Amino acid sequence: SQQGEEDPQALSIQEGENATMNCSYKTSINNLQWYRQNSGRGLVHLILIRSNEREKHSGRLRVTLDTSKKSSSLLITASRAADTASYFCATDSGDNDMRFGAGTRLTVKP
Amino acid sequence: GAGVSQSPRYKVAKRGQDVALRCDPISGHVSLFWYQQALGQGPEFLTYFQNEAQLDKSGLPSDRFFAERPEGSVSTLKIQRTQQEDSAVYLCASSLRRDINASGANVLTFGAGSRLTVL
Repeated sequence: SQQGEEDPQALSIQEGENATMNCSYKTSINNLQWYRQNSGRGLVHLILIRSNEREKHSGRLRVTLDTSKKSSSLLITASRAADTASYFCATDSGDNDMRFGAGTRLTVKP
Repeated sequence: GAGVSQSPRYKVAKRGQDVALRCDPISGHVSLFWYQQALGQGPEFLTYFQNEAQLDKSGLPSDRFFAERPEGSVSTLKIQRTQQEDSAVYLCASSLRRDINASGANVLTFGAGSRLTVL
């Protein structure tokens, strides 16, 4: 079964706008990761945030983590058409399996 | 190799046929995962190997699914007597992480997947 749930399921924005995706999970975690998947391809790791961290930045990506609410958000600033993809959160609970959510399908219109 | 390689990329099987999907992880990666991804869904965990040991197979949907990694590198996912509901993309991922107490987190590198269509 899947651990995380992302919302929204789909998001469509204009180039230059910011995109925010949310993830909720159920069990305690060691870290939470965000991955991106282009159509017909495998997933690519974007960013990791540990359970003792609240916010992390990488380029145009900003991730927050609220362990009390068991939720995380991924913000992509100044979006580009090339950011069009599906985005998944994955929880690492330290038991050697990584659980993924159903994903948010982001469309960035040029 | 430079990345995780999966073959075949596409497989069409008749219902009842056996299929074998291969994964070549990144050289030196200890951990190997198999996931099943249905259309429009996220990857569902199937099984996990640490070296040649299959430590978790709780996600395998039935006893028709079998995975092995005999020498701790290449892995094969075998599906016997395929059914239409087995149609999905099968993703393989590997990571360096050695054990649950390692300081490094479990960052996965994925292959492009094997798309299985059962007719």
